[in-house]
Amino acid sequence: DAKTTQPTSMDCAEGRAANLPCNHSTISGNEYVYWYRQIHSQGPQYIIHGLKNNETNEMASLIITEDRKSSTLILPHATLRDTAVYYCIVKLYRSGNTPLVFGKGTRLSVIA
Amino acid sequence: NAGVTQTPKFQVLKTGQSMTLQCAQDMNHEYMSWYRQDPGMGLRLIHYSVGAGITDQGEVPNGYNVSRSTTEDFPLRLLSAAPSQTSVYFCASRDEGTLNTGELFFGEGSRLTVL
Repeated sequence: DAKTTQPTSMDCAEGRAANLPCNHSTISGNEYVYWYRQIHSQGPQYIIHGLKNNETNEMASLIITEDRKSSTLILPHATLRDTAVYYCIVKLYRSGNTPLVFGKGTRLSVIA
Repeated sequence: NAGVTQTPKFQVLKTGQSMTLQCAQDMNHEYMSWYRQDPGMGLRLIHYSVGAGITDQGEVPNGYNVSRSTTEDFPLRLLSAAPSQTSVYFCASRDEGTLNTGELFFGEGSRLTVL
């Protein structure tokens, strides 16, 4: 699976949009971009995933560049409860023999 | 909905002791896995299984054994605990069906301390 690069930490004001970047320059054509987050001491939680089109769900939006070498996770109106470590992961879709590999992620702090 | 259940939530062991961390899921997921997370670190994959009777090693398998006799259960065994195995352990499962999102469902974690 392709490797990802994320900033170590970011701050965001409560109520503003949080934009979390991820670089995955070695992504292959059949690899998806997945985002998870981990709130302190809890198990990671799935947020969203995508291949090449932008995706939106009730939690966030995922913007993938046309060349697919980078992506941005957007939390449109960050709240204090969004403070967490956010992981960007690239992997083959539903390939049972290719497990998710987590890096160190981005620690997002939402500030009141 | 129970989801992924891990037991125990907390455990203290002495060096050399053995124990089993239990993981059970009630979602009929084929795929199950174990991760460990050390302070300030991301999650590292220990072992995983794509179905009953099938297991494979992840990034950091040494010191751990697993088995998958049923779809529901995926226990992680420490045969001779070492202080380096002090960590938080997470079990996760995933549906491998054709309509799923590929989402991993995680348990709440088991915090292990080896003295």
